[in-house]
Amino acid sequence: NAGVMQNPRHLVRRRGQEARLRCSPMKGHSHVYWYRQLPEEGLKFMVYLQKENIIDESGMPKERFSAEFPKEGPSILRIQQVVRGDSAAYFCASSPPRSGGYTFGSGTRLTVV
Amino acid sequence: KNEVEQSPQNLTAQEGEFITINCSYSVGISALHWLQQHPGGGIVSLFMLSSGKKKHGRLIATINIQEKHSSLHITASHPRDSAVYICAVGDQFYFGTGTSLTVIP
Repeated sequence: NAGVMQNPRHLVRRRGQEARLRCSPMKGHSHVYWYRQLPEEGLKFMVYLQKENIIDESGMPKERFSAEFPKEGPSILRIQQVVRGDSAAYFCASSPPRSGGYTFGSGTRLTVV
Repeated sequence: KNEVEQSPQNLTAQEGEFITINCSYSVGISALHWLQQHPGGGIVSLFMLSSGKKKHGRLIATINIQEKHSSLHITASHPRDSAVYICAVGDQFYFGTGTSLTVIP
C-alpha cells in the first residue's frame, strides 16, 4: 500500500510557463489537501478536494492557481504563468472519509527561473 | 495574531535530554496534529489528538481543550530527533511556524 505519491519531486519552470503538480492519494483515501511552504516560511493551506468536488479553496490565490481531483487519476494543482514568487515546496496530503488520519506526500519543489 | 503559536522557535538539546515543545491555538478545533519535517524532506504525521494524551515510543503528546494548549514531549532525545516539529489545528489545518530542534550528540 504505497503512501501519498507526489510527482515530480523537483520542477523547474521559466517565468510565464505552466506548472502541473500531481498527487495520488493513498488507496482508500478520498480527501486530498494541498499546502504550500514558501522559503523560510511555514506551511499554508491552499485547497481541500474530494473526488470531483472542491470543498474549500479559501487558501488558493485568486488568479493563476487551480486544482482538480477527477473521478479517475491523481489530483492536479495547476499554476499558470508562473512567477518567481511561486517558487516553493507544495505538499499534498490525503485522508479517508470521516477520519482525520492524514498522510503527507514528499512534496514537489517548484523553482521558477 | 496567528491562529497557532508555537514555542520555542528554536531548541538545541544534548542527547538524552527531555524536550518539551508547546502549542497554543485560538480557534475552535475538533483535533490537533503534531507533524515532523526533516530538512529537505517530507512531512510525517506524528499524532492526532482530540483529548488527553497519546504516547508513541519516546514521543508523548498532550492536549488541554479548555486551555487550548498542547505539548509534545520527547524523552531520551537522540540526534535523529533533529527536525522541525509543527503543530496544526482545524479541519484543513492552520499551522504553527514550527520548532526547529537540534539534538547534539
